[in-house]
Amino acid sequence: DTEVTQTPKHLVMGMTNKKSLKCEQHMGHRAMYWYKQKAKKPPELMFVYSYEKLSINESVPSRFSPECPNSSLLNLHLHALQPEDSALYLCASSRRGGGGGLTDTQYFGPGTRLTVL
Amino acid sequence: KQEVTQIPAALSVPEGENLVLNCSFTDSAIYNLQWFRQDPGKGLTSLLLIQSSQREQTSGRLNASLDKSSGRSTLYIAASQPGDSATYLCAVPYNNNDMRFGAGTRLTVKP
Repeated sequence: DTEVTQTPKHLVMGMTNKKSLKCEQHMGHRAMYWYKQKAKKPPELMFVYSYEKLSINESVPSRFSPECPNSSLLNLHLHALQPEDSALYLCASSRRGGGGGLTDTQYFGPGTRLTVL
Repeated sequence: KQEVTQIPAALSVPEGENLVLNCSFTDSAIYNLQWFRQDPGKGLTSLLLIQSSQREQTSGRLNASLDKSSGRSTLYIAASQPGDSATYLCAVPYNNNDMRFGAGTRLTVKP
């Protein structure tokens, strides 16, 4: 299995809702990532999990809460989002963890298109 | 600070043409550089990863070159096909804690 899966594909939520995005990989990769991509812009790194531990938090607002229950699964919990948080949320993984993860080939999922009303 | 720039922003070519996409970076102390393809509304697909010690990397009709000293990489696509239509992004890891992407080149290959 050489793919990263993400669910749901699309999500519409109100500003008071709580929802979660899910990402899975079964390639035995040791690092997993969340990126945010606004329309016609490049992806921006939000979170890095290396060996199931949060290693990098790029000063993302606390209304985004990541969780890594095991080495194959990554969640992004959403609460009290703003309309400007509407974007494509991409999950990625890489074989190596630690400092070498971001220098390794990144495998991306198809993304979740999030709309906040 | 690492800034990544891609020129042109958009490119339209007839089928069969060979083409070159450009990527520039301001900090030449890079570990490697990756080229990705993104179809509209989809995730990114890694095409080539070229290490800082390499000058070229090839995969099928794709060839990526890297010139660290001048802060440039090019992606050469031979014999372009309509199926190559997509946005192509380059990215470099930065400071061990970030991945810097260019804004991408949107390629259209016309039949």
